[in-house]
Amino acid sequence: DIVMTQTPLSSPVTLGQPASISCRSSQSLVHSNGNTYLSWLQQRPGQPPRLLIYKISNRFSGVPDRFSGSGAGTDFTLKISRVEAEDVGVYYCMQATHFPWTFGQGTKVEIK
Amino acid sequence: QVQLVESGGGVVQPGRSLRLSCTASGFTFSSFGMLWVRQAPGKGLEWVAIISSDGGEKYYADSVKGRFTISRDNSKNTLYLQMNSLRAEDTAVYYCAKDGDPKFDYWGQGTLVTVSS
Repeated sequence: DIVMTQTPLSSPVTLGQPASISCRSSQSLVHSNGNTYLSWLQQRPGQPPRLLIYKISNRFSGVPDRFSGSGAGTDFTLKISRVEAEDVGVYYCMQATHFPWTFGQGTKVEIK
Repeated sequence: QVQLVESGGGVVQPGRSLRLSCTASGFTFSSFGMLWVRQAPGKGLEWVAIISSDGGEKYYADSVKGRFTISRDNSKNTLYLQMNSLRAEDTAVYYCAKDGDPKFDYWGQGTLVTVSS
C-alpha cells in the first residue's frame, strides 16, 4: 500500500500569515493515464471532509484562491497564503491513483 | 444541489451485522462511482470501498475485505454498505462520497457505527 506522510502534524499560525503542509507518498502517484490523483481535503471541527484541491493543483468549486497546491511525483504541498479563522481544521492529502486509496495522517491547523 | 444522506448507523454487538445506506440527489446517480470512507473517533480518514457506476467493479480495503459488501440500486439512487462480522475496530463515522470528476467531490454528513457489547 502507498503510505502518505504529512508534515507537520500540527501547525499553529497567526491570522493573516501563510501556512504550508507537505505530503510525501511512498511511490509515484502518476497514473498510467498520465494524471496524478493527489487531492487535499479540509475537515473543519464537527464537519465532514470537503474537497479543496484535486489533481495536485486544481481548486475545487467555491474554494478560495488563498489555497493552492503544487508538486509532482511523490512530493506535494498545500499552501494557504493568508490564514483566516475559518481555515481552522485538519487537512488531509490523499491519493486515488493506486488501490487501496490512502490518506495522510492529517495536519491540524490552528490559530496561535 | 448534490446531496448525500447516510443512514443505518447505530450500536451493534461484535460479530453482528449492519447495513448502511446513502441516498443521493442532485446528480445523475447512475453515472458515477460511489465510495465509503470511515473515521474512527479522534482518528484520521480510511478509505473503505468503491463501486463503479454500474456496480460491475468493486474494490475494498484489506481491513474489510470478506466482511463488508458495497452495492448500489440505481433505480433508488441509493448506495449500500453491508457490514458483517463487525469488530470493535470498525467503530467509526462512515461517510459516503461521490467519485466524480474530480474524485471525492461531494461527501455526506456521515453516520456513526459503534460496535460494542
